Amino acid sequence: DTEVTQTPKHLVMGMTNKKSLKCEQHMGHRAMYWYKQKAKKPPELMFVYSYEKLSINESVPSRFSPECPNSSLLNLHLHALQPEDSALYLCASSQPPGVPTTAGNTIYFGEGSWLTVV
Amino acid sequence: GIQVEQSPPDLILQEGANSTLRCNFSDSVNNLQWFHQNPWGQLINLFYIPSGTKQNGRLSATTVATERYSLLYISSSQTTDSGVYFCAVEIDNDMRFGAGTRLTVKP
Repeated sequence: DTEVTQTPKHLVMGMTNKKSLKCEQHMGHRAMYWYKQKAKKPPELMFVYSYEKLSINESVPSRFSPECPNSSLLNLHLHALQPEDSALYLCASSQPPGVPTTAGNTIYFGEGSWLTVV
Repeated sequence: GIQVEQSPPDLILQEGANSTLRCNFSDSVNNLQWFHQNPWGQLINLFYIPSGTKQNGRLSATTVATERYSLLYISSSQTTDSGVYFCAVEIDNDMRFGAGTRLTVKP
């Protein structure tokens, strides 16, 4: 099963709201990622968790707070967002470097969560 | 950080034509993948290809790691091939995308 599941698919939130995006994978991967994608731009890396520990934080504002409760789940908590944070948020998973796999370190993406901040 | 450049940025083809998309990268990488992003935002894995050549139906890809480039070939293009094609490279779990090639296939 090569599937990464993201919920919700669409989210509209006000600038004072608190909401969360959720991501789940059951491929036994130990690396999980959040990307942000604006219209007509490539995905931009936000956070990487490796073995449930935050390993990369691309200087993302603190109004975005990631959480990795276990090896299958990744959350992105949202608070006091701005309209310019409206974007497609993509979750992905893979094996960390050095872990032998038949598929190599292929990274798999979910379908994304479309976020609109009003 | 690593730089990833894709060319051409835009490509318009007539159905049935062939095309070659290019990805240049600035450093040695652990991983290189080609993706197709459909109009609904889904990133679909096409190839995991850090080196060598692979084929899948009408698509094939070649990566020459020593020269830091990869090519994606699309043969006998169909309207359903339209969308954005991204090359992404990874070093130590840090995966970076090129700006993409926007392909439009006309009937």
